[in-house]
Amino acid sequence: QSVLTQPPSVSEAPRQRVTISCSGSSSNIGNNAVNWYQQLPGKAPKLLIYYDDLLSSGVSDRFSGSKSGTSASLAISGLQSEDEADYYCAAWDDSLNGVVFGGGTKLTVL
Amino acid sequence: RLVESGGGLIQPGGSLRLSCAASGFPVNGNAMSWVRQAPGKGLEWISVIYSGGSALYTDSVKGRFTISRDDSKNTLYLQMRSLRGDDTAVYYCARDAADPNYGMDVWGQGTTVTVSS
Repeated sequence: QSVLTQPPSVSEAPRQRVTISCSGSSSNIGNNAVNWYQQLPGKAPKLLIYYDDLLSSGVSDRFSGSKSGTSASLAISGLQSEDEADYYCAAWDDSLNGVVFGGGTKLTVL
Repeated sequence: RLVESGGGLIQPGGSLRLSCAASGFPVNGNAMSWVRQAPGKGLEWISVIYSGGSALYTDSVKGRFTISRDDSKNTLYLQMRSLRGDDTAVYYCARDAADPNYGMDVWGQGTTVTVSS
């Protein structure tokens, strides 16, 4: 059971917009920034968003992040088939003194 | 760039040392982390070593795993002892930041560790 909670899967049609939620607590998201990673099938994770809403270098501006209280969201607009991947949120946890990840969300582009 | 090596099949209770060779930046100039992914599961942070040499570990590996680096070889290591079946995973090294809010921006391709008799 992951410290951060994400929906196991989401799906949407091409060219549409999808959001992935990430819920935590005051010891992680509520007091630290959220980072988002994309993991394509069989590949290593890639940093998409850091410090809640900053786009990592070279990442398409179709990706955006936001945070409110102890929850965060990743939005992907103009969905493309190449966006099919697993997406993970992560944050520092002050109580555990380490990085905690969400369980991951599998995005399917219909 | 980061390139991991050292994975393989190991019996329960055994030891293994993973290496992560860095190029293009100094491992001692950044925080460096190990993250693992069990088969069909999500990502799990294991350990971080900071530029000053201090280290942190997740509870499940404390006392069994040791993170270290060799600055002359620009290489990060993960010494794993008393291995168990639930340590079976792909192990990734990643460049981290002293401020974890910046995330891990460079990842290796991963090396597979299988703990089984």
